[in-house]
Amino acid sequence: AQTVTQSQPEMSVQEAETVTLSCTYDTSESDYYLFWYKQPPSRQMILVIRQEAYKQQNATENRFSVNFQKAAKSFSLKISDSQLGDAAMYFCAYRSAAPFDMRFGAGTRLTVKP
Amino acid sequence: NAGVTQTPKFQVLKTGQSMTLQCAQDMNHEYMSWYRQDPGMGLRLIHYSVGAGITDQGEVPNGYNVSRSTTEDFPLRLLSAAPSQTSVYFCASTRGGRSNYGYTFGSGTRLTVV
Repeated sequence: AQTVTQSQPEMSVQEAETVTLSCTYDTSESDYYLFWYKQPPSRQMILVIRQEAYKQQNATENRFSVNFQKAAKSFSLKISDSQLGDAAMYFCAYRSAAPFDMRFGAGTRLTVKP
Repeated sequence: NAGVTQTPKFQVLKTGQSMTLQCAQDMNHEYMSWYRQDPGMGLRLIHYSVGAGITDQGEVPNGYNVSRSTTEDFPLRLLSAAPSQTSVYFCASTRGGRSNYGYTFGSGTRLTVV
């Protein structure tokens, strides 16, 4: 089974600075999708960004971008110009081509300091 | 608004009691799943369904039962609640077929078993 590892239980960043959250995964599949989800204190799971494994170009969504290294099985999230509203738990997730099989990492709690 | 609706939001059960967590989606999604979220462990898959009448087990299915009689509804039943089932439960859905769509999550149910 695929596993997803987030090695940073907690991270902090100064407002307006940049922070990178790490994620690695283990798989023998060639076709899959990767996601970052944000969970604020409200508990709602919010999709931040997605990446298809067959695409070499790194995904970008406004201040959020990823560094996808397929050979290294690494999928880090970079948040630029951090804002107070970015404070949340962030989960990295792996999804097989069969959509039901989504696996999550343990999460990284991000604190943004004013 | 379209989305995934979970009820109740909070529940306290006594050991041995049974209950059903409700989940409904109005997006005509084929795939639905139940996850539990525990501190330091991310989200773990309990059961999933690839369509009406079809269900299967995930990583942590023991003590839970599901059914999918319609496309819209996917209830999760706790047969005899145990303190180890204290957790936050999320229902999620996504489109069928090969796509880069992530899951749409409900707002979660915080369950405490005493």
